[in-house]
Amino acid sequence: QVQLVESGGGLVEPGGSLSLSCAASGFTFGDYYMNWIRQAPGKGLEWVSHISDSGKTIYYGDSVKGRFTISRDNAKNSLYLHMNSLRAEDTALYYCARDGGSDTQYAMDVWGQGTTVTVSS
Amino acid sequence: SYVLTQPPSVSVAPGKTARISCGGDNVGGKSVHWYQQKPGQAPVLVIYYDGDRPSGIPERFSGSSFGNTATLTISRVEAGDEADYFCQVWDSSSDHPYVFGTGTKVTVL
Repeated sequence: QVQLVESGGGLVEPGGSLSLSCAASGFTFGDYYMNWIRQAPGKGLEWVSHISDSGKTIYYGDSVKGRFTISRDNAKNSLYLHMNSLRAEDTALYYCARDGGSDTQYAMDVWGQGTTVTVSS
Repeated sequence: SYVLTQPPSVSVAPGKTARISCGGDNVGGKSVHWYQQKPGQAPVLVIYYDGDRPSGIPERFSGSSFGNTATLTISRVEAGDEADYFCQVWDSSSDHPYVFGTGTKVTVL
């Protein structure tokens, strides 16, 4: 079945780095745009970053631009998020989500269960 | 940056109709999507492209969008519909193309 599984979350000190991964299965990963979305404890959803199917087009939210890097490896059916200069406000559950593309007018039609990032000393 | 505003909470009795608004500048001119998130679970897409339903989503869920307001309507509300609901738009003209609404907690009385 169509599935996304995130990994790599954990506890990191302020100023530290962490890399997240998202393993895709059940669909042709290289045909889809992908996104990272995060949710701070008790808060709403915040879009973090987008990458096109080829990896050539990338966008970032203002709160992470210059600190986070999104990438993908279509041969490994995997999406990544490398996070530098982490701050307490980056503490959140990080989801990867498939972008349905033009069929859904760019709605996120498949979500993983998320991986938790905690930034604290 | 583009802002989508939702009411923090909506309460509805079982069997009645819940309407959740999503306000934004000319939101009717954009593609609006809606997600349901139950406690401890990932969001689930319930409406895309203003009013289309993914397979498996009951017909009780419908959406509309016009002017500065998009609306998610849940008819014949059931206890299992109690959840947080988020709207989201895709703005092709922006380098921040994905924006989420503030979220609405739906409580079934």
